[in-house]
Amino acid sequence: GQQVMQIPQYQHVQEGEDFTTYCNSSTTLSNIQWYKQRPGGHPVFLIQLVKSGEVKKQKRLTFQFGEAKKNSSLHITATQTTDVGTYFCAGQESRRALTFGSGTRLQVQP
Amino acid sequence: DSGVTQTPKHLITATGQRVTLRCSPRSGDLSVYWYQQSLDQGLQFLIQYYNGEERAKGNILERFSAQQFPDLHSELNLSSLELGDSALYFCASSSSSGSYNEQFFGPGTRLTVL
Repeated sequence: GQQVMQIPQYQHVQEGEDFTTYCNSSTTLSNIQWYKQRPGGHPVFLIQLVKSGEVKKQKRLTFQFGEAKKNSSLHITATQTTDVGTYFCAGQESRRALTFGSGTRLQVQP
Repeated sequence: DSGVTQTPKHLITATGQRVTLRCSPRSGDLSVYWYQQSLDQGLQFLIQYYNGEERAKGNILERFSAQQFPDLHSELNLSSLELGDSALYFCASSSSSGSYNEQFFGPGTRLTVL
C-alpha cells in the first residue's frame, strides 16, 4: 500500500533559523496536504498542493510539490516560537483516503 | 475551534472493556474520518464514512467498528480493549468524500486502558 515518509523526525532550532521538513511518497499522488499540530492540540490544515512543481507561500512558510508528484517540502524562514509543533504531510492517491506521514516535531529555542 | 466536536474528552477504562467514542462533524460536512494517534506517533487512518455509508477503510482492527447516523454524527466502538489501544482518537470531517478536501479535526478523545 501507499507509504508516506517524512524527515526529519525531530528538529530543534534557534529562533530566527530556518527549518525544512521533507515528505516522500511511495506512489504518485493526486494532491498533498500539510497540517500542523500544536502540543496538546489537534491537527490543523495548512495548505493543499495539487499541480506538479507547485509552489505556494503563506507568509514565512513555503510549500513545494515535486515535479513527479511524489515528494513535497515545507520550509519555514526565520522561525518563531509560535512555529513550535508537529508538521504532518498527508498524501492522497486519486479517490483514496489520506495517508499521513509520521510528522516532524519542531522545537524553537528563544 | 474547527466546528467538529468529540466526546468524551478523556476516557479511562480497563482491559477487556468496550467503549464508544462520539463525533459530530462540522455543519454541512458529510464525510467523517477516524484516526488513531499513539504517543509520539503519526496519524493512523482507521475508517471513513460518507453520508451514512462506509467509504474507505484503513488499518482498523476487527475489534473496532464505526457507524454514521442519519444526523451525520458518528460513533467509534472499541471492544475487548488492550493496553496497546491507549491512544488519542481523532475524528475529522470534510464536505465531500473524494480527493482535494481539507479535513477539519476535532479536539480528540484520549483513551487510557489500564
